[in-house]
Amino acid sequence: GQNIDQPTEMTATEGAIVQINCTYQTSGFNGLFWYQQHAGEAPTFLSYNVLDGLEEKGRFSSFLSRSKGYSYLLLKELQMKDSASYLCAVRDRSSGNTPLVFGKGTRLSVIA
Amino acid sequence: EAQVTQNPRYLITVTGKKLTVTCSQNMNHEYMSWYRQDPGLGLRQIYYSMNVEVTDKGDVPEGYKVSRKEKRNFPLILESPSPNQTSLYFCASSLSAGGEQFFGPGTRLTVL
Repeated sequence: GQNIDQPTEMTATEGAIVQINCTYQTSGFNGLFWYQQHAGEAPTFLSYNVLDGLEEKGRFSSFLSRSKGYSYLLLKELQMKDSASYLCAVRDRSSGNTPLVFGKGTRLSVIA
Repeated sequence: EAQVTQNPRYLITVTGKKLTVTCSQNMNHEYMSWYRQDPGLGLRQIYYSMNVEVTDKGDVPEGYKVSRKEKRNFPLILESPSPNQTSLYFCASSLSAGGEQFFGPGTRLTVL
């Protein structure tokens, strides 16, 4: 089975840096995704990690450590529009029924 | 424009009245999936389809049916809706199972 944990809520200040953590337990890890979801809207893809290390894409970076079952999403120079939920999703090749399993999401509030 | 479309976007219905939520994608994706999203529970997979005429249950399939007669369409059918099926529903597609998923805009369903 799979178990994905993320903090439920976080608050950060405009212009600051925030790190959203995700820990997972799977028997057949084969990649990790981060999605952004604004309230009432569809999730949109942010990043994908399958190898250890940091992937940088503009203001957003994602890190993966497979040995620790750990990932984080780093958001720099926070803007008000970054207020959203951030979903961690793990690809588990040992699972026949649910190839992509989502965490419950972290709701980020960016304040002035 | 590459997209996933869902209809209707909003629906209020009564218990027991059969309904269908349509989903269509124009990206020639093989994998399609339905999720429901409820507060505190995150995205939960209802059904998925690996290809035409191939469908399988996700984590919460009870009370739902699907079909995949064509590659682009993956309708979700509620034969006898009940109030516990009140939720926000998302259709998603990807090139392959576990790949980056593209989500439709969502359907907010209320069953009275």
